[in-house]
Amino acid sequence: DQQVKQNSPSLSVQEGRISILNCDYTNSMFDYFLWYKKYPAEGPTFLISISSIKDKNEDGRFTVFLNKSAKHLSLHIVPSQPGDSAVYFCAASYKAAGNKLTFGGGTRVLVKP
Amino acid sequence: GAGVSQSPSNKVTEKGKDVELRCDPISGHTALYWYRQRLGQGLEFLIYFQGNSAPDKSGLPSDRFSAERTGESVSTLTIQRTQQEDSAVYLCASSLGLGPGNEQFFGPGTRLTVL
Repeated sequence: DQQVKQNSPSLSVQEGRISILNCDYTNSMFDYFLWYKKYPAEGPTFLISISSIKDKNEDGRFTVFLNKSAKHLSLHIVPSQPGDSAVYFCAASYKAAGNKLTFGGGTRVLVKP
Repeated sequence: GAGVSQSPSNKVTEKGKDVELRCDPISGHTALYWYRQRLGQGLEFLIYFQGNSAPDKSGLPSDRFSAERTGESVSTLTIQRTQQEDSAVYLCASSLGLGPGNEQFFGPGTRLTVL
């Protein structure tokens, strides 16, 4: 039972353009959502998060949008840079579960120079 | 300051042997989490500690898996009688506390291969 899904396993985008990564969830108890970035042979690094009381959070080139009614969130990267090439994981948590993270399967992003 | 460290970075073992994986969290972080990532998949939660106690062990796949944490610092994940399906990258993360805003910082992982 996959509670967090990333339906696009990969994404290729030209440098300077926008990257849009999507994530869907099923558990309505989730109240905090995060995006992590992972390079090969390294642990995931935190990128950006959003609480369920908000619908948008922005940090530099990264913006996360949350649509609670659709149980959908997305990550926008503008402009995309070659160093953004990595695997991106969407994750969700809720306080009653000790904030353990439930991860999606990941989307591999390739930014072409 | 130092991040989360894990040892060994790689472990190759034979089916049926026991293995012990170690995690050193960031100093002062009270919460510690174990996840694993099988090839081509996302991370799956195994267990978390708040201090030295483990309120949620629901992700441990079987009774061959156990974990402990001593002194609110180091944690060890033990897998007894390893099976080939245990092959994965085992990741440890720590956070200052629980609750939103307490982001989890991950170690580089231990890649376990069971032959």
